[in-house]
Amino acid sequence: IQLTQSPSFLSASVGDRVTITCRASQGISSYLAWYQQKPGKAPKLVIYDASTLQSGVPSRFSGSGSGTEFTLTISSLQPEDFATYYCQQLNTYPLTFGGGTKVEIK
Amino acid sequence: EVQLVESGGGLVQPGGSLRLSCAASGFTFSDHYMDWVRQAPGKGLEWVGRIRKQVYSYTTEYAASVKGRFTISRDDSRNSLYLEMNSLTTEDTAVYFCTRGMTGTSVQYFDCWGQGTLVTVSS
Repeated sequence: IQLTQSPSFLSASVGDRVTITCRASQGISSYLAWYQQKPGKAPKLVIYDASTLQSGVPSRFSGSGSGTEFTLTISSLQPEDFATYYCQQLNTYPLTFGGGTKVEIK
Repeated sequence: EVQLVESGGGLVQPGGSLRLSCAASGFTFSDHYMDWVRQAPGKGLEWVGRIRKQVYSYTTEYAASVKGRFTISRDDSRNSLYLEMNSLTTEDTAVYFCTRGMTGTSVQYFDCWGQGTLVTVSS
């Protein structure tokens, strides 16, 4: 299953509302996760089951969608949110990741 | 504190072999599926493979790109995960992450990651 993220690159300001889209090549129910990765660091789980916030993740992050289209929204971008975000499907083997969306400071 | 620490990375020649280890602590290792994920320099994340827990007979799944060359194993008595890599090519150059599968969900999302170990395949 291929996951296509858009945009690949996003330039935004602190306080902006940001939305990232992940489209699956076939239906994956709600078996989708979002990860945040900062340079030189391991990824961190942000959202799982498409819309469940991982423990300890700020409530400004939210996820939605099912089937083939999913979104990750950051309601008010903070300086620590500048990172690359990846979606991942766990509906079918092989497990796959999207190509990533880099969120940079405008 | 939940922790995963990878080791065993380094420089290896094309065609060579390498064995990575991942030491787990701070949780009941035997309760979790475990996965390997890799990231080539400047590139995105690529799932390598998974090993299930004992109740599922430690069965494994692999990405097509590594199937038949890589083998994942675990030793629950040592709280350790392994990745045996053979017939390495330059395309296998990457940081390799060990990850823990969540429990309590329908599928095993990766809720804990190690810091990664760099494998460089070059002559």
